Amino acid sequence: GENVEQHPSTLSVQEGDSAVIKCTYSDSASNYFPWYKQELGKGPQLIIDIRSNVGEKKDQRIAVTLNKTAKHFSLHITETQPEDSAVYFCAASRGNQFYFGTGTSLTVIP
Amino acid sequence: EPEVTQTPSHQVTQMGQEVILRCVPISNHLYFYWYRQILGQKVEFLVSFYNNEISEKSEIFDDQFSVERPDGSNFTLKIRSTKLEDSAMYFCASSVGGVGNEQFFGPGTRLTVL
Repeated sequence: GENVEQHPSTLSVQEGDSAVIKCTYSDSASNYFPWYKQELGKGPQLIIDIRSNVGEKKDQRIAVTLNKTAKHFSLHITETQPEDSAVYFCAASRGNQFYFGTGTSLTVIP
Repeated sequence: EPEVTQTPSHQVTQMGQEVILRCVPISNHLYFYWYRQILGQKVEFLVSFYNNEISEKSEIFDDQFSVERPDGSNFTLKIRSTKLEDSAMYFCASSVGGVGNEQFFGPGTRLTVL
């Protein structure tokens, strides 16, 4: 089955700096890669996703890149704000089943 | 904005007891899922459900687990005889379509088995 690895597990950045979270996956048939943000006491919420026919996608301060050959994808958050502080999960899927990474706890220091 | 809701938010039970976790998916969604997250570990897929039947399940989803959509709005997860290792946060999710569609997650039910 699919195995998704995520790094780093914790990340602290100064407000205004960029944050990068990286994930690798093992199943070359995976074709959908969502990123979720989870705030304390809430369920994961989708912030951006990318499909395997696209190399990069951007939505305001958030971007995701996908390298299918290397089987890795990354989340980039620019101009970080304190409200970006949360746990971020990457996931990979080729069917209905999502395989999640272990999560990255992002802290943005004001 | 429509959202997935789950009840209860926290369930405490004795080992060996049956528990039912309840979810109300977003009303026009057709695909439903259960995931669990043991404290400090990954979110793990349990099962997906479409057209009143299970479409995929993981090896975690053994005979102790069952799912049901009893009345067209609720989606339930039953654990027949809980074990200590079933203690986890259980998330329900739903989506409009299947493969490659955004899954909307509920806030979760924290299950504690004593």
